[in-house]
Amino acid sequence: SQQGEEDPQALSIQEGENATMNCSYKTSINNLQWYRQNSGRGLVHLILIRSNEREKHSGRLRVTLDTSKKSSSLLITASRAADTASYFCATDNNQGGKLIFGQGTELSVKP
Amino acid sequence: DTAVSQTPKYLVTQMGNDKSIKCEQNLGHDTMYWYKQDSKKFLKIMFSYNNKELIINETVPNRFSPKSPDKAHLNLHINSLELGDSAVYFCASSQFSGINTGELFFGEGSRLTVL
Repeated sequence: SQQGEEDPQALSIQEGENATMNCSYKTSINNLQWYRQNSGRGLVHLILIRSNEREKHSGRLRVTLDTSKKSSSLLITASRAADTASYFCATDNNQGGKLIFGQGTELSVKP
Repeated sequence: DTAVSQTPKYLVTQMGNDKSIKCEQNLGHDTMYWYKQDSKKFLKIMFSYNNKELIINETVPNRFSPKSPDKAHLNLHINSLELGDSAVYFCASSQFSGINTGELFFGEGSRLTVL
């Protein structure tokens, strides 16, 4: 069954602006992960946040996790045209090695 | 030096045919997966193997048969292809299995079109 739902489904911004994507999930998790997919390519892992963590940073990426609200957000600061891609959240909800993906947010960064 | 490589990248075939997609990883991971991505980009797990042993088998038609000859390879064979099988199939691997699932490394995908 689908676990994560992402919001918005599509986001269009100008280069230099910040982009925020949200992910909500239904059951308790071990960790939540964010992935990026460029058009026609495979998914690339961005960041993993464990259920006992609230915030994590990696370069221009900032991920927050609120387990009480069962939600996470991915913030990309100072966006670039090269950030144009689909972004997916995925949850590990203790089902024996299974990651369940949301439907993704399609981000378009205009130069 | 591709970490997870899958072949072929594109596959166009007629309904009713049988086809295979191959996957190999050189990361030394114990766990490999097949995911299916539909036209709306929804990604759904199909199978997972840990050290050649099947550990996840989602509600996939038995026309789909995975085979893992060793822990570096996971192939997917599909019998009697149907129009609805058209999708992009992704192979992935990870270091851990069991309680905590770590980072997945994905191949570039195999786009299957059934006519």
